Order: sequence, then C-alpha cells, then structure tokens
Amino acid sequence: EDQVTQSPEALRLQEGESSSLNCSYTVSGLRGLFWYRQDPGKGPEFLFTLYSAGEEKEKERLKATLTKKESFLHITAPKPEDSATYLCAVNTGFQKLVFGTGTRLLVSP
Amino acid sequence: GAVVSQHPSWVICKSGTSVKIECRSLDFQATTMFWYRQFPKQSLMLMATSNEGSKATYEQGVEKDKFLINHASLTLSTLTVTSAHPEDSSFYICSGEQGRDQPQHFGDGTRLSIL
Repeated sequence: EDQVTQSPEALRLQEGESSSLNCSYTVSGLRGLFWYRQDPGKGPEFLFTLYSAGEEKEKERLKATLTKKESFLHITAPKPEDSATYLCAVNTGFQKLVFGTGTRLLVSP
Repeated sequence: GAVVSQHPSWVICKSGTSVKIECRSLDFQATTMFWYRQFPKQSLMLMATSNEGSKATYEQGVEKDKFLINHASLTLSTLTVTSAHPEDSSFYICSGEQGRDQPQHFGDGTRLSIL
C-alpha cells in the first residue's frame, strides 16, 4: 500500500533557527513528489515538484531535496511568516496524490 | 500563474438543502480536476477525480449520489452536495491539474456548515 509519512507532526522554531522537515514514502512507483504550504482556512499552495533522486529545488528560504525513500524541506533562517502547515504528496501514477498528514510549523519572533 | 478559484468560500444552510460549489481554473486548462475533503487538523482526503466530458471516478466510501460532480469544460468543475445533513459539514477543496504528472493547483476551499 502506498504510504507517505511526515515528521515531525509539529515544530516550533525561533526566528532565524534553521531546521528540516521530513517526508518518507513507500510507493510502488514514484512519478513526482510535491511540497505544498497550507495556511489556516486556505487551500494548499504549491511550492516544489521533485521527480528523481538527487534533485533539489530552492525558493527563498526553502530548499527541497529528494532521495529514493524520502524528501526533506530545509528552512533556512525562518521568519514568522513561514508559519504554516507543510504538506508532502506523492504521485504514484494513478492520477491521484497520496498526501502525508503534514508538519505544523510555528516560527516565533 | 496556475490559479484556481473556488466559490463560495463559506456556506451555511439548513439540513436537507442542496449546495453547489464551483471550481474554476483561471489561467490554464485543467484536463483533470479533483475534489477533496479536509477535517480539522487532518490532511486532504480525495473524494473524486473528474476528467472533462466524462463521469467522475469516486473514491471508495464516497456516495456518488450525494456528491454530484460535473466537469463541463476544461476550466470548470462543480460539486453539488445533495440533501445535505450536519455530518456533511466540512472543508471542501478542489484542484486542477495542467497535465499528467504535473502539480495540482488548489482553490482556497469552501467551508460548508449544515445546521
């Protein structure tokens, strides 16, 4: 069964304190791993797509990496506005995404 | 780019009424659209997948007669919750996909409250 697990469930950081979020996956065939950011009461906002092991994508303070079994979302020197729930999702090729349960990030000033 | 608009954002109605939610891709053609349901502090649960001009594919456990999906064009899909009851209260989110293996882009969701 295809499965996506995110850790930690919740993370509290001080402004400027860098950290990483983990997304582990067990799928029959990976056709893309996606990172989204979701603010309360809103739909997920697309951040990155990764297709193959070794691939990296970067945007402002965020950097996503991919291996054959997991992906990391690195947050460098976070700011309070980075507070959100970060979702990881995997495309297994059956025209639907398998989502993890998310990491709730809170960055304090 | 890749903007999805969802309306209404909030609906409150009486038990037994039907509610229609619209999902539009504003700047791209979505060959496939998806409807999700999300409970508080939980992740997204896929309800159905719809391709333009064909019948929707529903996930196991989702009642197709209660949740009617129409994907009439490459930019519009609608979800109608028929004879809604309090247990149907939830946050409903749609998404559109530009092409196979491309990212899905999500609307801002509709909070449905049935009294």
